[in-house]
Amino acid sequence: AQSVTQLDSQVPVFEEAPVELRCNYSSSVSVYLFWYVQYPNQGLQLLLKYLSGSTLVKGINGFEAEFNKSQTSFHLRKPSVHISDTAEYFCAVIPPGFQKLVFGTGTRLLVSP
Amino acid sequence: DTGVSQNPRHKITKRGQNVTFRCDPISEHNRLYWYRQTLGQGPEFLTYFQNEAQLEKSRLLSDRFSAERPKGSFSTLEIQRTEQGDSAMYLCASSFGTSSNNEQFFGPGTRLTVL
Repeated sequence: AQSVTQLDSQVPVFEEAPVELRCNYSSSVSVYLFWYVQYPNQGLQLLLKYLSGSTLVKGINGFEAEFNKSQTSFHLRKPSVHISDTAEYFCAVIPPGFQKLVFGTGTRLLVSP
Repeated sequence: DTGVSQNPRHKITKRGQNVTFRCDPISEHNRLYWYRQTLGQGPEFLTYFQNEAQLEKSRLLSDRFSAERPKGSFSTLEIQRTEQGDSAMYLCASSFGTSSNNEQFFGPGTRLTVL
């Protein structure tokens, strides 16, 4: 079964510092990859997605992610974080032939002044 | 606001009671999904509809759970004889089209607490 691993349950970082949130997936075939953000008391919001083509994907709010097929990774990065980026971030995949998102356990990003 | 809406936002019930949640998708979205999220975990897929047809159900969806989407518009998720293990956030999402890579738009969720 398809699985997604987010090794870091929590990432503390200071404002204006760079951040990387790690995501690895298990699949020997092509999958669609997504990053969602969940702010407190709000629904999940799509940050970015990789379907095919360029391995560097740019999303909203200054986030970007790089697809690495050989390492089966899709890490999320931001060069300079803001306090408002404090939230839970979920990596997800859609396995080929399926319609459902398979999520990782999430990484809580805590940005402090 | 024309996003996905869910009602109620919170539900507290006693073990053994039945509960029903409602999801109103974005207008004209033909696909509707239900996920469940427990504390410290990512959302887990429960089921999805294309128009009024329920096309896939997860093994997580025991026979105490039933979902409907009459007329292909809003959807309801009913849990019969609730158990404490049913306590979770129930998320609804909708998307347009038939491609699996179309963006799923999520609602704010219904938080269920079973006492």
